[in-house]
Amino acid sequence: AQSVAQPEDQVNVAEGNPLTVKCTYSVSGNPYLFWYVQYPNRGLQFLLKYITGDNLVKGSYGFEAEFNKSQTSFHLKKPSALVSDSALYFCAVRDLADRGSTLGRLYFGRGTQLTVWP
Amino acid sequence: EAGVAQSPRYKIIEKRQSVAFWCNPISGHATLYWYQQILGQGPKLLIQFQNNGVVDDSQLPKDRFSAERLKGVDSTLKIQPAKLEDSAVYLCASSPVTSGTFDSPLHFGNGTRLTVT
Repeated sequence: AQSVAQPEDQVNVAEGNPLTVKCTYSVSGNPYLFWYVQYPNRGLQFLLKYITGDNLVKGSYGFEAEFNKSQTSFHLKKPSALVSDSALYFCAVRDLADRGSTLGRLYFGRGTQLTVWP
Repeated sequence: EAGVAQSPRYKIIEKRQSVAFWCNPISGHATLYWYQQILGQGPKLLIQFQNNGVVDDSQLPKDRFSAERLKGVDSTLKIQPAKLEDSAVYLCASSPVTSGTFDSPLHFGNGTRLTVT
């Protein structure tokens, strides 16, 4: 069964420090991986994706993520955090082995609340 | 481009009442999704449309939830009758993805926050 785990409900980091938000996944086939961010009272916004190719992908607002197939992980990173990065972050996966009605279904993790303090 | 529009933003109803949510996707997006986001959880897919056809409604509680996408554009999601556990944010999303191409991200609306008392 497909699943996404975000092991930390909350991550706190000081402004200017590097940040990491962790994500691990479980799929039957090859994954398409995504990160989304949600600000209060807003919908989810796309940050970046891994489809194929380089394991390090770069996205919006200076974020990047590293795909690690052996560890089935897709951690979100940023070299220098900003207070404005404080938000709820969701990891999501599509399983390319899915067939039938679930083909293309996106599975989300529970989310990680990132707080960056000044 | 204009984003995904949803209304209303907030709705408070009593249990056993009915409620409807509306979504207008990004122009030209073939695929439309309704997600339920319960506090403290990630979004859960309720139903997926491609144009005006249902692709995946396996997680839709069909005894009380219904959705339609007439003419392959706007969509409405209805709950009748509502239960306390239906309190959540209902997110609509759209994507240009068509069958066989799944690398496109979803574009989400701001959601409708439903409170059932």
